[in-house]
Amino acid sequence: GAVVSQHPSWVICKSGTSVKIECRSLDFQATTMFWYRQFPKQSLMLMATSNEGSKATYEQGVEKDKFLINHASLTLSTLTVTSAHPEDSSFYICSAVAGGLGTDTQYFGPGTRLTVL
Amino acid sequence: AQSVTQPDIHITVSEGASLELRCNYSYGATPYLFWYVQSPGQGLQLLLKYFSGDTLVQGIKGFEAEFKRSQSSFNLRKPSVHWSDAAEYFCAVGEVNAGNMLTFGGGTRLMVKP
Repeated sequence: GAVVSQHPSWVICKSGTSVKIECRSLDFQATTMFWYRQFPKQSLMLMATSNEGSKATYEQGVEKDKFLINHASLTLSTLTVTSAHPEDSSFYICSAVAGGLGTDTQYFGPGTRLTVL
Repeated sequence: AQSVTQPDIHITVSEGASLELRCNYSYGATPYLFWYVQSPGQGLQLLLKYFSGDTLVQGIKGFEAEFKRSQSSFNLRKPSVHWSDAAEYFCAVGEVNAGNMLTFGGGTRLMVKP
């Protein structure tokens, strides 16, 4: 149980294009999803917290107009990198939490590697 | 604000040897603590977690961790390392009142010598 998938697993795009990454909870309903980015050999940095049916909460320094997050259902959240540039190249990982506050655990997706040429 | 420190960036152990990965945290209340493992190019897999109760927590793949409040530590241990344990290990502290938001340590890369 508690499987989270991401699609695509790897994407290469030209500078200036937009890329959408999907995060799905396959066997549970996720009231909250998180989006992280990870640069090579570094830790995960939280980008935003997404609650179903409401606007995402972005961490300081993350451009909300560049990284559009939509959490339209309890099993799907999407991250769209708009007008991508080479510096946006990174490993993007989502996680999902079942239920509300307290002892719920984050379950992570396998990640999406974005390379912007 | 909470923070997590993993003092060892790299650790190399011989296969069959014991392992201890250090994790220290800073958090105002009783923390929720996690250890995750990440293989190259992969997402994170939960090894174990501590919420309350017994301070020695058993996880998957033969790992265990001990919560020591007096030392603000949550070190990960394994009595005998296998070559397949080579990966990046992340300690994280969960913030209960912020929707389960996690703060990660910098990670420790484990290499296993044959």
